Amino acid sequence: EVQVLESGGGLVQPGGSLRLSCAASGFTFSSYGMNWVRQAPGQGLEWVSSVSGSGSNTYYADSVKGRFTISRDNSKNTLYLQMNSLRAEDAAIYYCTKGGSSGRMGYFDYWGQGTLVSVSS
Amino acid sequence: DIVMTQTPLSSPVTLGQPASISCRSSQSLVHSDGNTYLSWLQQRPGQPPRLLIYKISNRFSGVPDRFSGSGAGTDFTLKISRVEAEDVGVYYCMQATQFPWTFGQGTKVEIK
Repeated sequence: EVQVLESGGGLVQPGGSLRLSCAASGFTFSSYGMNWVRQAPGQGLEWVSSVSGSGSNTYYADSVKGRFTISRDNSKNTLYLQMNSLRAEDAAIYYCTKGGSSGRMGYFDYWGQGTLVSVSS
Repeated sequence: DIVMTQTPLSSPVTLGQPASISCRSSQSLVHSDGNTYLSWLQQRPGQPPRLLIYKISNRFSGVPDRFSGSGAGTDFTLKISRVEAEDVGVYYCMQATQFPWTFGQGTKVEIK
């Protein structure tokens, strides 16, 4: 059974940093791209970042480019999101999602339960 | 960026009746590889999103066959043939043809 489980959320002050983790199981982790998607309270979905199966290709939304870094450790089946210079508008539930095919990621077939990031002084 | 526009934003439906949600993209979603990366997601209250349909019309594993997707180019539709109580929630279309990947605003399906 495919599972992705996020952790690492919490309350951080503006300008602070946080690292999210996503532990994956039930599939060959290194064969699939992985993603982070966020949802601000009461709002819609926003794609944040993606990484290829090998980790060599990364992609970011303009809203986080230069502040967030996506990475993965295929030996640990774990995805990360390092978030620096956090702003109030980064407050959201962050979902880890699995890419839908071992080739080009064209959809997200499995979603975690999410981890809540709050940014406040 | 490709803008995804859903209509309606709210859809009150009678149990057992059909529902339809439209999603229009600001540019064609046909990728250079020939695929159209348009998917539909369901988010029930208090739950994470769940994949329903991928590449316009492919139902994901375990999704009931009352859900169907259609369309091409820039115009896409999600249909629920007979709405059940468990279908209440917000539905999103999403494009993954071109970065940044983008979502529609969401359509809330509720029971009348």
